[in-house]
Amino acid sequence: GAVVSQHPSRVICKSGTSVKIECRSLDFQATTMFWYRQFPKQSLMLMATSNEGSKATYEQGVEKDKFLINHASLTLSTLTVTSAHPEDSSFYICSARAGVSYNEQFFGPGTRLTVL
Amino acid sequence: GQNIDQPTEMTATEGAIVQINCTYQTSGFNGLFWYQQHAGEAPTFLSYNVLDGLEEKGRFSSFLSRSKGYSYLLLKELQMKDSASYLCAVILREAGTALIFGKGTTLSVSS
Repeated sequence: GAVVSQHPSRVICKSGTSVKIECRSLDFQATTMFWYRQFPKQSLMLMATSNEGSKATYEQGVEKDKFLINHASLTLSTLTVTSAHPEDSSFYICSARAGVSYNEQFFGPGTRLTVL
Repeated sequence: GQNIDQPTEMTATEGAIVQINCTYQTSGFNGLFWYQQHAGEAPTFLSYNVLDGLEEKGRFSSFLSRSKGYSYLLLKELQMKDSASYLCAVILREAGTALIFGKGTTLSVSS
């Protein structure tokens, strides 16, 4: 299957700093990537949909000025958590869709963010 | 709103068969996925159903009834490594839209 990578896999930062998470599709072009967040023992919650070359679409309740998403190429989307606070500590997972009419999404390995 | 329900937890023993149910009430439907997720890891794809019926893939099978808004994942010959969370997810519209996930079912397999 298609491979999606995320970097970093784990990050610990101080409150108030910004953290950038990269999501790459390694062997396919992804016109659409999705960013999810997962708190402990909860399911994945969609944060935003990222389309190459256009602005991301954010879900209700997700602050677009706090979670900056850039999808500059067909293989790379980035999520920047600005001025991170402890409540932003979570597991962030991206997924990418391969193909125009194909429904399956491939998930990255996730990034564990801990804000002290 | 979108609603996807699964049991929170299930337990089973090695070698047994377990069925994890999922019911959904969503504003649209263009397919249902089952994913397996081990703690601290990303979900891995198990199955995809868009038409009614049973899809079999080795020890795992998935069933869908669109008229009833119901799906199940059947795991046969359970192994310890099958202990994980199983996520039911619905894609609402055409390809390119996000998945809506249920809360997941944590399956514990004991010897």
